[in-house]
Amino acid sequence: GDSVTQMEGPVTLSEEAFLTINCTYTATGYPSLFWYVQYPGEGLQLLLKATKADDKGSNKGFEATYRKETTSFHLEKGSVQVSDSAVYFCALAPPGGYQKVTFGTGTKLQVIP
Amino acid sequence: DAGITQSPRHKVTETGTPVTLRCHQTENHRYMYWYRQDPGHGLRLIHYSYGVKDTDKGEVSDGYSVSRSKTEDFLLTLESATSSQTSVYFCAISEPRTPAAFFGQGTRLTVV
Repeated sequence: GDSVTQMEGPVTLSEEAFLTINCTYTATGYPSLFWYVQYPGEGLQLLLKATKADDKGSNKGFEATYRKETTSFHLEKGSVQVSDSAVYFCALAPPGGYQKVTFGTGTKLQVIP
Repeated sequence: DAGITQSPRHKVTETGTPVTLRCHQTENHRYMYWYRQDPGHGLRLIHYSYGVKDTDKGEVSDGYSVSRSKTEDFLLTLESATSSQTSVYFCAISEPRTPAAFFGQGTRLTVV
């Protein structure tokens, strides 16, 4: 079945550092790929998405590129802030199957001043 | 913030008792979902609804039932709670052809 693998956390960075959170997936066909963010005490929010190979999703300074050849969708941000501290989830949905999203286990990011 | 309200926010219940969690939305979205979040598992889909009285099972539906009698309300029922159902439960909503984008704040359920 479909699956998503994320790097283990927690990831601790100093403010203004460069962020990469790795995500790889296993799926048949061409899934849609997503990143969600969960701030402390809140539900998840959809951060960005990409629906086909080589698409780049971006939002709030974060971006991720759909790499079919490496089955990856790594999340990056050039300069993190303390307010970016959260848990980040990589996820996928099969073609035509947005209702059955598969989530990774999440990567906790802590940004220190 | 999207208008999604979950109730209760916290609940402790005994093994074998029935429990109902409620999700209420004010966005008039067609799709509603129930997920559970557990350490090491991310979020897993329990059930979802694609309209009033229209529901389907997710990945971990055993031991759970759902009902949707109105567009705005989606109920999750544990008929006989077990300790393995101790978890944080999230409701989410979406429009057709989009993934769940808006989540409630979650209900922390403890079964003792």
